[in-house]
Amino acid sequence: DGGITQSPKYLFRKEGQNVTLSCEQNLNHDAMYWYRQDPGQGLRLIYYSQIVNDFQKGDIAEGYSVSREKKESFPLTVTSAQKNPTAFYLCASSARDRAPDTQYFGPGTRLTVL
Amino acid sequence: AQTVTQSQPEMSVQEAETVTLSCTYDTSESDYYLFWYKQPPSRQMILVIRQEAYKQQNATENRFSVNFQKAAKSFSLKISDSQLGDAAMYFCAYRGPGGGADGLTFGKGTHLIIQP
Repeated sequence: DGGITQSPKYLFRKEGQNVTLSCEQNLNHDAMYWYRQDPGQGLRLIYYSQIVNDFQKGDIAEGYSVSREKKESFPLTVTSAQKNPTAFYLCASSARDRAPDTQYFGPGTRLTVL
Repeated sequence: AQTVTQSQPEMSVQEAETVTLSCTYDTSESDYYLFWYKQPPSRQMILVIRQEAYKQQNATENRFSVNFQKAAKSFSLKISDSQLGDAAMYFCAYRGPGGGADGLTFGKGTHLIIQP
């Protein structure tokens, strides 16, 4: 089955620790995205990548880092510099060669800072 | 910067009735894309419907249709014959023309309750 997987589903972190959230897709999509969702809020864009070895900051990139070494994978690291990391994180992907670049989402990771 | 506003935090409708969710947006672009996503309690984001701004015809997907008013920058979602499975958060989203795959700008969502 084609789709987007995120792991783990739940993640707990102590203050001061870095953690990495996994996102993998087998849809052969070029573009991938990371969003953050807080209670009562819509999704906000953290980072996105249009091709391998290239990525751009979104609206709330501070305290986060990403890499795109493979087309299928776009891991997100939440660093200790992120002041309020507790949130629900969603990964998405889209095909760049077909309009209108509809984004398809993974099931999400719930991150809690203890 | 583009903004998306959903003015109804919560809506309630009787099963089998019709409900309309509102969305307005602000942009200086003439070419863009609009989406409605559904987020059920599982929190999986599911695409409901999409609209290209250059198309005058309103998009329709089975029981879901939109009323796209470009001049008014309005993009409402109509759900006909509401079903219990339609209960979810609904998010309106905007994507600019870009040149590649830019991110989406989301509204804060409308919580839709279906009463049996």
